[in-house]
Amino acid sequence: KQEVTQIPAALSVPEGENLVLNCSFTDSAIYNLQWFRQDPGKGLTSLLLIQSSQREQTSGRLNASLDKSSGRSTLYIAASQPGDSATYLCAVISGAGSYQLTFGKGTKLSVIP
Amino acid sequence: DGGITQSPKYLFRKEGQNVTLSCEQNLNHDAMYWYRQDPGQGLRLIYYSQIVNDFQKGDIAEGYSVSREKKESFPLTVTSAQKNPTAFYLCASSINPGPNYEQYFGPGTRLTVT
Repeated sequence: KQEVTQIPAALSVPEGENLVLNCSFTDSAIYNLQWFRQDPGKGLTSLLLIQSSQREQTSGRLNASLDKSSGRSTLYIAASQPGDSATYLCAVISGAGSYQLTFGKGTKLSVIP
Repeated sequence: DGGITQSPKYLFRKEGQNVTLSCEQNLNHDAMYWYRQDPGQGLRLIYYSQIVNDFQKGDIAEGYSVSREKKESFPLTVTSAQKNPTAFYLCASSINPGPNYEQYFGPGTRLTVT
């Protein structure tokens, strides 16, 4: 059964710092990996989707990489801002038929002004 | 504006009552999903539907039921058989049920059962 782990569970950084969030998954046979952002009490906002054949995706200050063979992904946030404060969730689709997302528990990011 | 709407935002019910959560999308997406989120846990899939009049159980379907009579609507009923119904419920959709399509999420409904 696929398991997704995100480390650390919480992270606090000063404004302007570059940072990396980590995601690992136990079954490397994934179709894709998706990074989401969740603000308190809100739904999820999709940030980046990486197909299994891709190594990375970029959107603005965000860059996500995927190393499928080692079961790892990283989300790099450049020049962090207080508005980046949120919980970041990693999820993978694996297994035939259901195409369901398996989520990690998230990393809660606080960017201090 | 295209998107996914969930109503209501907050819902309160007494134990033993069934309650239905609404999910509507105007994105013309074929696939729709229901997830449950509990504090300190990742989201878990309850049910999903790849096409109208078809739906499949996810990992935690016990105590829940769904219908998919229209493409744009995928309501979730939390029955009295669900032992721990208090949670944050999120609906999602994707343009295609295949594995390479991004899932988009609604704003969620927070259900409290006392």
